[in-house]
Amino acid sequence: DAGVTQSPTHLIKTRGQQVTLRCSPKSGHDTVSWYQQALGQGPQFIFQYYEEEERQRGNFPDRFSGHQFPNYSSELNVNALLLGDSALYLCASSLAGGIEAFFGQGTRLTVV
Amino acid sequence: ELKVEQNPLFLSMQEGKNYTIYCNYSTTSDRLYWYRQDPGKSLESLFVLLSNGAVKQEGRLMASLDTKARLSTLHITAAVHDLSATYFCAVDSPSGNTPLVFGKGTRLSVIA
Repeated sequence: DAGVTQSPTHLIKTRGQQVTLRCSPKSGHDTVSWYQQALGQGPQFIFQYYEEEERQRGNFPDRFSGHQFPNYSSELNVNALLLGDSALYLCASSLAGGIEAFFGQGTRLTVV
Repeated sequence: ELKVEQNPLFLSMQEGKNYTIYCNYSTTSDRLYWYRQDPGKSLESLFVLLSNGAVKQEGRLMASLDTKARLSTLHITAAVHDLSATYFCAVDSPSGNTPLVFGKGTRLSVIA
């Protein structure tokens, strides 16, 4: 079992650009949540996907959008990047109704 | 709104000493998680505490949960350098399968 995998691991973008981050959940998991972790802070919830729909959303602007595919993998899209979007983006997978979420290794996004 | 507070935020301790990290949360919840994060890395699950009075131990770390006081503790016994990391507690809101709310983390440095 490969666990939760995210790609890419690092990337650098310019302000105003758009970025797509990808996540493959742990085998057997059907729920994917995305978190943003700014430097020196705890992770902040962005949104959660289940059955290809956004089920919950945190306090993030509409520039942040996502998608879940039939195989449960997920994408996080961020449009019109700002310097403040620079962070570690973490994907967590879980089983609906389950107890524990498992985190991927994260994608480090730097906006210049 | 569910809030999670950790203290201390920074902790420098000598090898061989004992110390406790505290995690308070604002509303009723029956699931509390402790994670470890090394610099630039993802979150490693340490403990999942599911009921009042739960106590779990792994090596030099022991976690406990008091749901009535809305308090969890992470006790470090005879610290060693390898324990240097940032420790986060996180709580689910009580409605189930909901996103984790994290504390700001405790940055632990164990020195000789």
